[in-house]
Amino acid sequence: DTEVTQTPKHLVMGMTNKKSLKCEQHMGHRAMYWYKQKAKKPPELMFVYSYEKLSINESVPSRFSPECPNSSLLNLHLHALQPEDSALYLCASSQAPTGREAQYFGPGTRLLVL
Amino acid sequence: LAKTTQPISMDSYEGQEVNITCSHNNIATNDYITWYQQFPSQGPRFIIQGYKTKVTNEVASLFIPADRKSSTLSLPRVSLSDTAVYYCLVGDVRETNAGKSTFGDGTTLTVKP
Repeated sequence: DTEVTQTPKHLVMGMTNKKSLKCEQHMGHRAMYWYKQKAKKPPELMFVYSYEKLSINESVPSRFSPECPNSSLLNLHLHALQPEDSALYLCASSQAPTGREAQYFGPGTRLLVL
Repeated sequence: LAKTTQPISMDSYEGQEVNITCSHNNIATNDYITWYQQFPSQGPRFIIQGYKTKVTNEVASLFIPADRKSSTLSLPRVSLSDTAVYYCLVGDVRETNAGKSTFGDGTTLTVKP
């Protein structure tokens, strides 16, 4: 199984809502990533979990809160988002947290903040 | 991390070979070069990776000169379904850097019939 799954596919939320994005992989990968991608722009790294520990936080606002419950799951909790946070949120995983390992991406969650 | 520079867009015709070059002038000894393909509303997909010289797989070749300051992705005999955005990444192999890498701006390849 070489698939990374993400739920939901689409999400519309108000600025006062709390929601969560979920990501799952069953490839035994030990690194998982969250990226944000705006239209016609490259993915921007938000967080890296390495062996279930947060190892990189790219100065992301605290209204985004990542969580790694176990080695297969990665969540992104959203609270009090702004309209400019509307984007495609991509989850990825790799066998190890190094630039030598290919990252496998999920299909993304398209988020719209009203 | 090394900054990467790619052409914004390229056009080609079906059946032609396409070469997309990425510049990474400040690449470090510990860096690997990886290329991804992305279709609209999908996540990027790994194509090929290399450190130096030439790497070939079933879908592409990657050429890296001795100074490693650039790399060229070669797609043989493209078809309409190869129309996509292609990203070059440079990533540190050390786990202490936790797989941190930065996507370049990408090259939008349009294949015409």
